[in-house]
Amino acid sequence: DQQVKQNSPSLSVQEGRISILNCDYTNSMFDYFLWYKKYPAEGPTFLISISSIKDKNEDGRFTVFLNKSAKHLSLHIVPSQPGDSAVYFCAAVIPLSDMRFGAGTRLTVKP
Amino acid sequence: KAGVTQTPRYLIKTRGQQVTLSCSPISGHRSVSWYQQTPGQGLQFLFEYFSETQRNKGNFPGRFSGRQFSNSRSEMNVSTLELGDSALYLCASSLARDQETQYFGPGTRLLVL
Repeated sequence: DQQVKQNSPSLSVQEGRISILNCDYTNSMFDYFLWYKKYPAEGPTFLISISSIKDKNEDGRFTVFLNKSAKHLSLHIVPSQPGDSAVYFCAAVIPLSDMRFGAGTRLTVKP
Repeated sequence: KAGVTQTPRYLIKTRGQQVTLSCSPISGHRSVSWYQQTPGQGLQFLFEYFSETQRNKGNFPGRFSGRQFSNSRSEMNVSTLELGDSALYLCASSLARDQETQYFGPGTRLLVL
């Protein structure tokens, strides 16, 4: 069962524009959400997180928005840079219990 | 500090065989988690060990097992391999139990024929 879904397998954006990556979840017990970035042949690296008590968290060019009622979160990258080209995974956590990942979205930022 | 290392990096097995993968966490890290990555399912959590004890387990059959040694190194074992077990197996370590500061290894790519 896919409790965390990233419905767009790929996204292509022009350099300097905004990239928006989406993630939906089904289990209302998820309390904490993370985004990871993964380059080919490397392990994922943590990018940004958000707790369910917040609806927005910002870190430089990266902002994560959480809409609990819609069970939806999104990652905004502004402005997008070619070095941002990677696969992005969202993850949802039930503390001390479970952690589920989405299938990933491949972002390509074109110069 | 050396990063998380995983051995072997690549492995080819046949159905029915068993396999053991190894993970050495960053020095001082006591938590080791294992993940399976496949194109269709993305990243899936397998299990987490902390101080030689399994503290959390994902939704995988009993063919998948693991253990952690006193030096925090961890092994993952898959018995009676199936074609669908072909995947990238990632190990991540952290000081305690904090997904934010998890550091991932490069993974072991397993191909089951």
